[in-house]
Amino acid sequence: QKEVEQDPGPLSVPEGAIVSLNCTYSNSAFQYFMWYRQYSRKGPELLMYTYSSGNKEDGRFTAQVDKSSKYISLFIRDSQPSDSATYLCAMIGVGGAQKLVFGQGTRLTINP
Amino acid sequence: NAGVTQTPKFQVLKTGQSMTLQCAQDMNHNSMYWYRQDPGMGLRLIYYSASEGTTDKGEVPNGYNVSRLNKREFSLRLESAAPSQTSVYFCASSKEQNRVSETQYFGPGTRLLVL
Repeated sequence: QKEVEQDPGPLSVPEGAIVSLNCTYSNSAFQYFMWYRQYSRKGPELLMYTYSSGNKEDGRFTAQVDKSSKYISLFIRDSQPSDSATYLCAMIGVGGAQKLVFGQGTRLTINP
Repeated sequence: NAGVTQTPKFQVLKTGQSMTLQCAQDMNHNSMYWYRQDPGMGLRLIYYSASEGTTDKGEVPNGYNVSRLNKREFSLRLESAAPSQTSVYFCASSKEQNRVSETQYFGPGTRLLVL
């Protein structure tokens, strides 16, 4: 079983829809949770990160972490065609030689 | 600032050939990483270098070697390429190793096809 599971999609929604992207994980040592966005034929770029449980909002994007369920989500409001990309969740513990562990990525298309 | 640059952008190899993927960063970062990305597998860490002069294995190091040439440059070498190494390779760097406050910045990737 992978440490981090993410539905690879693809996910296709109309412009303006609310998008929900999710990951589950098995390692309870993970403390920081990140979302990366990757446009086609580009490298990933950090979108936002959250520490421990709770919500974090940045413009149209909201990241949620539920450590009790080992479940994280990224919500995109008022989705735009420019949001079309692959979204990867990633997570890491604290202390020692920690390494970032990525989910498989979800390919998202926003249709005009 | 160019950020993280990678060469080549695309390469075709025959089984058994060798090649070196080059990576350089101009952000004065201490830590550098090599990942491979395969469909359905996400990004997997091959090797990393926490600081100049040190390198360590990641999740999938077999078949690869690395060299941290200096603070700026971190190369990945395939000594005898195999079809299973067909992938997109990403180099990344961060100010410090795996501190979340220090974002990992990724290069544009190298697409490698091994026939």
